[in-house]
Amino acid sequence: NAGVMQNPRHLVRRRGQEARLRCSPMKGHSHVYWYRQLPEEGLKFMVYLQKENIIDESGMPKERFSAEFPKEGPSILRIQQVVRGDSAAYFCASSPWTAPYEQYFGPGTRLTVT
Amino acid sequence: ELKVEQNPLFLSMQEGKNYTIYCNYSTTSDRLYWYRQDPGKSLESLFVLLSNGAVKQEGRLMASLDTKARLSTLHITAAVHDLSATYFCAVDNGNQFYFGTGTSLTVIP
Repeated sequence: NAGVMQNPRHLVRRRGQEARLRCSPMKGHSHVYWYRQLPEEGLKFMVYLQKENIIDESGMPKERFSAEFPKEGPSILRIQQVVRGDSAAYFCASSPWTAPYEQYFGPGTRLTVT
Repeated sequence: ELKVEQNPLFLSMQEGKNYTIYCNYSTTSDRLYWYRQDPGKSLESLFVLLSNGAVKQEGRLMASLDTKARLSTLHITAAVHDLSATYFCAVDNGNQFYFGTGTSLTVIP
């Protein structure tokens, strides 16, 4: 049973480019969470999605950031016009609908903006 | 906004010693989580505490939850080098998970 998968693991973008981060939840999991971790800090909640629905996006910056979890395929976190301050590790976690609090984390995508 | 505070932030301890990490949170929550993170790695779930008075143990780690005091503890018994990592606690409000800033633990011989 494969765990949560994220790709790419490392992503380098120049300022102004777009970053697309992908998260494939564990098989059978219908809930996906995205978090951002800055160096030496804890994780900050960004968004909580179920298939085709955004449940809570209150942790996501209002501009440039968007997330989706389509009926088919991985969840995508999209950052438009990246800036240096977006450099961070982005983790997704998935959980089953029977126990949405049981999160399993992916390996993360480390985004570097140059 | 719900706040989660951990202390200490940094902990250096000798092998064989015992110590406790504390996690306080600012609002009512019946669930508390402990995770471990090694440098450059993802988070590994250690404990999920689901009710007041819950106590769970795994190896040299034991976690407890007091929802009335809004306090959880992670107790380390007879530390070994392999326990060196950053430990995070987290609570949820149903939709969002709030993480503490982490306790960086270094176990020295």
